[in-house]
Amino acid sequence: AQSVTQLDSQVPVFEEAPVELRCNYSSSVSVYLFWYVQYPNQGLQLLLKYLSGSTLVKGINGFEAEFNKSQTSFHLRKPSVHISDTAEYFCAVGPRSNDYKLSFGAGTTVTVRA
Amino acid sequence: NAGVTQTPKFQVLKTGQSMTLQCAQDMNHNSMYWYRQDPGMGLRLIYYSASEGTTDKGEVPNGYNVSRLNKREFSLRLESAAPSQTSVYFCASSVRGVNQPQHFGDGTRLSIL
Repeated sequence: AQSVTQLDSQVPVFEEAPVELRCNYSSSVSVYLFWYVQYPNQGLQLLLKYLSGSTLVKGINGFEAEFNKSQTSFHLRKPSVHISDTAEYFCAVGPRSNDYKLSFGAGTTVTVRA
Repeated sequence: NAGVTQTPKFQVLKTGQSMTLQCAQDMNHNSMYWYRQDPGMGLRLIYYSASEGTTDKGEVPNGYNVSRLNKREFSLRLESAAPSQTSVYFCASSVRGVNQPQHFGDGTRLSIL
């Protein structure tokens, strides 16, 4: 089984400032890693994913994340946020041994203020 | 441009009533999923269908049943609704497997009194 811990439930940030959302996971098998974003009253959208290869992954809307195997972390970063980045962000892991079961973290709400 | 369509968007039920949530995707995806989202708990997998004709339990299947009607449609049924099933329900689909992005519907907000 695997579990995901998002270390911050709420992150307030000013417009044009950088933001980092922290995600740690535990798993007995190798995993795929994902970040999804949910805007108000909508479903989730994929921001980026790590399957293999380079540990620095770039996604949509200027987001990037770094996989750290030794620390079992997959932190999400953006160097300069916009008001439109206000949303809830979910980290998720999927075991390579079972291709269908994603486990999600509890979510981090990012509120961008002018 | 529809993607994943869920109906209804909102529903209020009384305890003990039954209800079926509908989900359809037009992306020719093989795999479909049902999740529930509760505050502070993220999304939890209820059931999934790896491909047409198969269904399997997820993390929280108790109190629910599913039907993969065809490749496009995957329904979720509450036979006897309980207040603990008040939640937002999301349907998702993917080409096949978790290494492919999951595409989500906009959710069904279900309240059980």
